[in-house]
Amino acid sequence: AQRVTQPEKLLSVFKGAPVELKCNYSYSGSPELFWYVQYSRQRLQLLLRHISRESIKGFTADLNKGETSFHLKKPFAQEEDSAMYYCALIGGSYIPTFGRGTSLIVHP
Amino acid sequence: ETGVTQSPTHLIKTRGQQVTLRCSSQSGHNTVSWYQQALGQGPQFIFQYYREEENGRGNFPPRFSGLQFPNYSSELNVNALELDDSALYLCASSSEQGSNEQYFGPGTRLTVT
Repeated sequence: AQRVTQPEKLLSVFKGAPVELKCNYSYSGSPELFWYVQYSRQRLQLLLRHISRESIKGFTADLNKGETSFHLKKPFAQEEDSAMYYCALIGGSYIPTFGRGTSLIVHP
Repeated sequence: ETGVTQSPTHLIKTRGQQVTLRCSSQSGHNTVSWYQQALGQGPQFIFQYYREEENGRGNFPPRFSGLQFPNYSSELNVNALELDDSALYLCASSSEQGSNEQYFGPGTRLTVT
């Protein structure tokens, strides 16, 4: 069975502080991992995927197979980063599994 | 490019009734996935349709069923509604069968009383 754990329901930081949203997964094979974001009153949208290894809006995420983690990081948080963030995994059967989400609040 | 649309926006049903939710996929997408999102939880995968065939199913009972039409729009049907079916139902479309990059609709808020 595949599982995604986001241990923090809420993360509160000040503008300019570093941010790390944690994501741990359980899957026996080689998964594809994603981060989705939902800004206030907007629909869920893809932020980044581990395959592309790119930085989006200053966010990066590295897949650590040893620790089975895919933490989302940004060195300097901005107020506009305040949103709900979901980590998601797709295994070999193409069935996606989402974490419960972390609400990020960036204070001015 | 037209995004994913869902209808209705919200509705209220009584326990035991049946409901049909609708989704129009993004232009050029042939794969549609449906999710249930309970309050405070992440989206939970119900099933996916690719070229009118069910292509994967999550841990949901048979009373959750779906259809995909030749224009790739889709319906989610839920029979014998239960109180726990109250949730936000999300539809997502993608251009590949593996649903690797999905584009989500705004959701339908279903309340079962």
